[in-house]
Amino acid sequence: DIQMTQSPSSLSASVGDRVTITCRASQGIASWLAWYQQKPNKAPKSLIYAASSLQSGVPSRFSGSGSGTDFTLTISSLQPEDFATYYCQQYSSDPYTFGQGTKLEI
Amino acid sequence: QVQLVQSGAEVKKPGASVKVSCKASGYTFTGYYMHWVRQAPGQGFEWMGWINPDSGDTNYAQKFQGWVTMTRDTSISTAYMEVSRLKSDDTAVYYCARNSGYDYAIDYWGQGTLVTVSS
Repeated sequence: DIQMTQSPSSLSASVGDRVTITCRASQGIASWLAWYQQKPNKAPKSLIYAASSLQSGVPSRFSGSGSGTDFTLTISSLQPEDFATYYCQQYSSDPYTFGQGTKLEI
Repeated sequence: QVQLVQSGAEVKKPGASVKVSCKASGYTFTGYYMHWVRQAPGQGFEWMGWINPDSGDTNYAQKFQGWVTMTRDTSISTAYMEVSRLKSDDTAVYYCARNSGYDYAIDYWGQGTLVTVSS
């Protein structure tokens, strides 16, 4: 199975900050990577697919980049509603594995 | 708008089975694969597999082969996921999630169904 490792595990930031979360795959996955946001006791929300394409309705302050094994999710200017846990997922080969999550806190 | 509405929470004893439903609306049910993903309490996500609602074809993660069954009823736009021989570590929130149609990413998620396995 492909292992997905996110860093950092948690991150403290303030409204208006620019933040970057990293996801590394244990082997190359081309651009077959998605990012999801989850708030406590809620279902995840899909943010990005194919490493850098925004899902419909996702604010443009979210962006993704990378290919191969190294990927990033960037939030250009944090808003209060962005404080959540973020997960990456590879879907290059099954099982489609997830990172362990990055908790973004105030 | 796309909606995936799952069945309610379940409490089961070890060794029992559970069947979770996921009713889709707002799009053509047979046009998009449906994934199932679970999340144990306080843990990350585990992808279980997908079903093609059009053909009924399935693709299970190897870990779940033989004890998880995904089915669908196209007449009511509903996908199902059944887990048999439940163990305590199957306690989790189970999500159905629609495949985006562009690739194998997920675009919409159900609200989740908590399955608790306890004697």
